[in-house]
Amino acid sequence: GQQVMQIPQYQHVQEGEDFTTYCNSSTTLSNIQWYKQRPGGHPVFLIQLVKSGEVKKQKRLTFQFGEAKKNSSLHITATQTTDVGTYFCAGLTTDSWGKLQFGAGTQVVVTP
Amino acid sequence: NAGVTQTPKFQVLKTGQSMTLQCAQDMNHNSMYWYRQDPGMGLRLIYYSASEGTTDKGEVPNGYNVSRLNKREFSLRLESAAPSQTSVYFCASSSRLAGGRETQYFGPGTRLLVL
Repeated sequence: GQQVMQIPQYQHVQEGEDFTTYCNSSTTLSNIQWYKQRPGGHPVFLIQLVKSGEVKKQKRLTFQFGEAKKNSSLHITATQTTDVGTYFCAGLTTDSWGKLQFGAGTQVVVTP
Repeated sequence: NAGVTQTPKFQVLKTGQSMTLQCAQDMNHNSMYWYRQDPGMGLRLIYYSASEGTTDKGEVPNGYNVSRLNKREFSLRLESAAPSQTSVYFCASSSRLAGGRETQYFGPGTRLLVL
């Protein structure tokens, strides 16, 4: 079945530094979504990518969907303490309507 | 709008006890989902309901049952709780938009401990 792998599992970042988390799928995706979960909270939708090679930005966050639609990345520049949390990617295939396959997440800890 | 609400927030059960987790959404979404979240394993789909009156199994359905009571409500039942069902349970809802785009909105979660 479809597998979505996410690396790294943990990311310790100094405030002000940049980092990237990666998401890889074993199958071609129709779209990929990113969610953020603050400690003790629930996942909150960040963005959805649909097109091959698509790049979207949200302030300091840059999301990219690979050309083959099997991988994605989230790059955060100038990390702030508000970026603390776990970032999940979640993929959909054309035959898995509504059934998102979540990666295990990247837990981000920011050191002031 | 309250979005997605879940009750209870916390629950402690003994092995073999039963309970029902409640979920309701006020966004007029067609689809609803139940996930469990365990450390290091992300979110795993237990059951989902594409529309009122339909339910289907997800990745980890064993030990659970669901009821889509109406368009707003989707409940998850543990008939005989086991320690392996200790987890955080999230309910979510979504509505499919044009172009295959859809967003899932999550409830605050239920933290369940089975002793």
